[in-house]
Amino acid sequence: NAGVTQTPKFQVLKTGQSMTLQCAQDMNHEYMSWYRQDPGMGLRLIHYSVGAGITDQGEVPNGYNVSRSTTEDFPLRLLSAAPSQTSVYFCASSYGGATNEKLFFGSGTQLSVL
Amino acid sequence: EDKVVQSPLSLVVHEGDTVTLNCSYEVTNFRSLLWYKQEKKAPTFLFMLTSSGIEKKSGRLSSILDKKELFSILNITATQTGDSAVYLCAVARGGTSYGKLTFGQGTILTVHP
Repeated sequence: NAGVTQTPKFQVLKTGQSMTLQCAQDMNHEYMSWYRQDPGMGLRLIHYSVGAGITDQGEVPNGYNVSRSTTEDFPLRLLSAAPSQTSVYFCASSYGGATNEKLFFGSGTQLSVL
Repeated sequence: EDKVVQSPLSLVVHEGDTVTLNCSYEVTNFRSLLWYKQEKKAPTFLFMLTSSGIEKKSGRLSSILDKKELFSILNITATQTGDSAVYLCAVARGGTSYGKLTFGQGTILTVHP
């Protein structure tokens, strides 16, 4: 049972480069989201999706794009990487209904932008 | 703007001690408060609290919510070195904000042998 799988685990980019962080879940969860974690700031929501074809912005969406073409996958795209995007990124998913806040997290992607 | 504040930010104790972690919040249309434990990488779920005054327990961990005073505490009794982690508090709004949590800064707990 894989749960939430994120790739890559580590990435180094140069300023201006673009890349996609991959996220896949095999639990048939409707809801998926991306968070970034910076020291002293907890986790902050970037984008989220309540189902295939539906996405919305979170607290810190600038510089990131998402799409949700299938229930399983929710990739996060950095359009033109900036040093301020150096962070640890977590993908998370959850069931609907009464337990939709119980997020299952992936193992994270540590991104450095030089 | 939703706000979640945890205290203390860090705590160092010895095995066997009891610790209390605090979480206060301000959120529109409160639905639930959650506690997560983060060791090394991915946060893992501990508790979800929706009703005031009802304690949730799991082994040596327990948590309670006060919706009037807008805070929650997480207690860990007889701490062990395996309890060393970052403890995250998060709140969720009602309505259609599924999976859209606001997290606190976290409390770093270090338990020495």
